[in-house]
Amino acid sequence: EVQLVESGGGLEEPGRSLRLSCTTSGFTFADYSMSWFRQAPGKGLEWVAFIRRRDYGGTTEYAASVEGRFTISRDDSKSIVYLQMNSLKTDDTAVYYCARERGAFSKIRGDVDYWGQGTLVTVSS
Amino acid sequence: DVVMTQSPLSLPVTLGQPASISCRSSQSLVYNDEYASLNWFQQRPGQSPRRLIYKVSNRDSGVPDRFSGSGSGTDFTLKISRVEAEDVGVYYCMQGTHWPWTFGQGTKVEIK
Repeated sequence: EVQLVESGGGLEEPGRSLRLSCTTSGFTFADYSMSWFRQAPGKGLEWVAFIRRRDYGGTTEYAASVEGRFTISRDDSKSIVYLQMNSLKTDDTAVYYCARERGAFSKIRGDVDYWGQGTLVTVSS
Repeated sequence: DVVMTQSPLSLPVTLGQPASISCRSSQSLVYNDEYASLNWFQQRPGQSPRRLIYKVSNRDSGVPDRFSGSGSGTDFTLKISRVEAEDVGVYYCMQGTHWPWTFGQGTKVEIK
């Protein structure tokens, strides 16, 4: 069974940093690209960051709203994807979801299938 | 960025009746003249998103066949043939063809 479990959320002050983790199981993590999304309270879904599988270069993509402040990374030996969030702003307050992207198999761009349950990040003084 | 526009934003439906949600993109979602990466997600109250449809019309495993997707280019539709109580929630379209990936505003389906 595919599982993605986010952790690391919490309350942090503006300007500070937080690192989210997404621990996965039930599939060969190294074979998949991974992504982070977020949902502000009472709002819609927003894509945040993406990291390709290592043999596709392990390269990354970011939403303009987080470029230069957030960094996505992966540890294939632990089956974990991370989101390092620096210079936090109040607008970053949201539930953060990690998700699996299976485009390497389906040959379909943006083929995001499984999502985790999310972790809440609150940025407030 | 590709703007995804859903309508309606609120959809009251009678149990057993059909429902339809429209999603329009500000530019074509066709990639390399091959396919359009258009996904539909369901988010039940208090839950994380669950994908229902990928590549416009392909149902994910375990998704009831009362859900169907259609469309092409810039105009897409999600249909529920007979709404059941468990279908209550917010439905989002998402395009994966162009960076950045973008979502529609969401359509809230509720029972009349």
